[in-house]
Amino acid sequence: DVVVTQSPLSLPVSLGQPASISCRSSQGLLHSDGNTYLTWYQQRPGQSPRRLIYKVSIRDSGVPDRFSGSGSGFDFTLKISRVEAEDVGVYYCMQGTQWPWTFGQGTKVEIK
Amino acid sequence: EVQLVESGGGLVQRGGSLRLSCEASGFTFRDYWMHWVRQVPGKGLELVARIRGDARRTTYVDSVKDRFTISRDNARSTLYLQMSSLRAEDTALYFCARDHYGFNSVDYWGQGTQVTVSS
Repeated sequence: DVVVTQSPLSLPVSLGQPASISCRSSQGLLHSDGNTYLTWYQQRPGQSPRRLIYKVSIRDSGVPDRFSGSGSGFDFTLKISRVEAEDVGVYYCMQGTQWPWTFGQGTKVEIK
Repeated sequence: EVQLVESGGGLVQRGGSLRLSCEASGFTFRDYWMHWVRQVPGKGLELVARIRGDARRTTYVDSVKDRFTISRDNARSTLYLQMSSLRAEDTALYFCARDHYGFNSVDYWGQGTQVTVSS
């Protein structure tokens, strides 16, 4: 199985400051169809996961543009340009290139 | 509006069985692959099974193969997960989730149903 490793696991950030989460895979995520299937989810306390970004950098409808995804191959990043109070939660990356699709351990974002 | 509502969770003894259901609405259910994803409390997420829209193809993660069966009733817009030979490590919150076809991703999630396996 593809192992997905996130860092850091905990990320205290001051309001209005940027935040960056890294996601690394044990195998390259370029699919034989030419696409790279890397998704980011946000899970607020007590809620189900909500998808933010898919196929590395495509933002879901309704997701604020302060969220952005980038990367290729083995290394990917989720950036929040200016953290707001509503961004508190756990963020997960998930690879969909190889079955079984696998998730990172999660990164807990909290306000400093 | 897409809605996924799980039910059927509960407390079961080790070695026992349980069937989860997920009622879908707000989209044409038969057109979508569907998934079951579980989350161990305070820990990460694991996608355990998926099923194609016509139910003719299913895939499982190794840890549940031969113990769990995913199925669906398109007439009722309902997804199922039959779980048997349950183990303590199957204790988790089980989510039903919709596939985003062509993007190898899950776009909508239910609220989850808790399964607790006691020893």
